[in-house]
Amino acid sequence: NAGVTQTPKFQVLKTGQSMTLQCAQDMNHEYMSWYRQDPGMGLRLIHYSVGAGITDQGEVPNGYNVSRSTTEDFPLRLLSAAPSQTSVYFCASSYGAGGLYNEQFFGPGTRLTVL
Amino acid sequence: GQQLNQSPQSMFIQEGEDVSMNCTSSSIFNTWLWYKQDPGEGPVLLIALYKAGELTSNGRLTAQFGITRKDSFLNISASIPSDVGIYFCAGPLRYGNKLVFGAGTILRVKS
Repeated sequence: NAGVTQTPKFQVLKTGQSMTLQCAQDMNHEYMSWYRQDPGMGLRLIHYSVGAGITDQGEVPNGYNVSRSTTEDFPLRLLSAAPSQTSVYFCASSYGAGGLYNEQFFGPGTRLTVL
Repeated sequence: GQQLNQSPQSMFIQEGEDVSMNCTSSSIFNTWLWYKQDPGEGPVLLIALYKAGELTSNGRLTAQFGITRKDSFLNISASIPSDVGIYFCAGPLRYGNKLVFGAGTILRVKS
């Protein structure tokens, strides 16, 4: 199993550009989520999904969109990038049943810089 | 905002020393999780705690779920250079499928 994969690994955008961060998992996990990591702030939840076709907002959803058309994929879209979105983005997944959603497997991250 | 407070923020210790860190909250948590993040990588789950008072070990790591359910502790015995990284505590919010993370404890080891 490849586990959780993320692409790209690095990205530089100009203010106002749009892009999609890709996330895929091959563990048949129901629960998937996106976090951003900023220095001194730990990881903050952006959006999450408990299954295909179901998404919900996390702590910091503004400026980001998600969709979940398949169990395997959970892309994160930035519609109009802003410098405040410069961060490291992590995708995670878990089985999602009976509290096991807590035991999340993380991808390697995407390092995004918005100029 | 941040609901989990981790301390210390950073530690610089000698190889072979024991390490202690903790995580506290003003809210009750029913689960406590400890993750480690190596430089340039995503976090990896070290220990999961599901019961108040529970003490769980994973090799040289030992974690405890506080009796009040508002805190948790992680100890590392006989530290080695590969223990370097950021250690996060995390717990699920009471309602919904959301995890919150502490800001992390940065561990540096002098060999």
